[in-house]
Amino acid sequence: SQQGEEDPQALSIQEGENATMNCSYKTSINNLQWYRQNSGRGLVHLILIRSNEREKHSGRLRVTLDTSKKSSSLLITASRAADTASYFCATDAQAGTALIFGKGTTLSVSS
Amino acid sequence: KAGVTQTPRYLIKTRGQQVTLSCSPISGHRSVSWYQQTPGQGLQFLFEYFSETQRNKGNFPGRFSGRQFSNSRSEMNVSTLELGDSALYLCASSSEYGGSSYNEQFFGPGTRLTVL
Repeated sequence: SQQGEEDPQALSIQEGENATMNCSYKTSINNLQWYRQNSGRGLVHLILIRSNEREKHSGRLRVTLDTSKKSSSLLITASRAADTASYFCATDAQAGTALIFGKGTTLSVSS
Repeated sequence: KAGVTQTPRYLIKTRGQQVTLSCSPISGHRSVSWYQQTPGQGLQFLFEYFSETQRNKGNFPGRFSGRQFSNSRSEMNVSTLELGDSALYLCASSSEYGGSSYNEQFFGPGTRLTVL
């Protein structure tokens, strides 16, 4: 089944640095969402970007979508230790269907 | 508003037993989705319910079933448990009809199931 694939699988940075995570998918989508999960807990929605949008911002988060390359990126600026978590992209196979999640990027921010 | 609640939070069962997990969505939300999360397979979609009807179903065996009640609360049942069913089971709710892919999903904390 279609699935977003995040890259890198793991990322370690220092506080204050920027973190960039990428997501690639296989077939056309209607929407792409990014979620965060703190260790063993439920997921928290970050941003939803529709296929006709190219960029969205939310606080320190910036998401881009390139439908021609079938890829998206999540940029976290000025990272904090509290940003340590796993980040997932999720896509839909077709309108109104279930979300398919990637395996995630584990981000570690050290102080 | 209270968030999505899941009960129980932790559960230990033995092979062959069955288990029922419960999910109460955010008040006013009519869509409930269930996911299984394991280290090996990641997050996998189980099923989605909207207004008591199963709208989407993932690729899981028939041992996995679910239902939704008129108050939007949902339960999932796993019969004849196997060791590989050990996982974090997450439920998510959303307010809109359009399907989980259209809308922000609000996740509960999950139920950690261990099968011995």
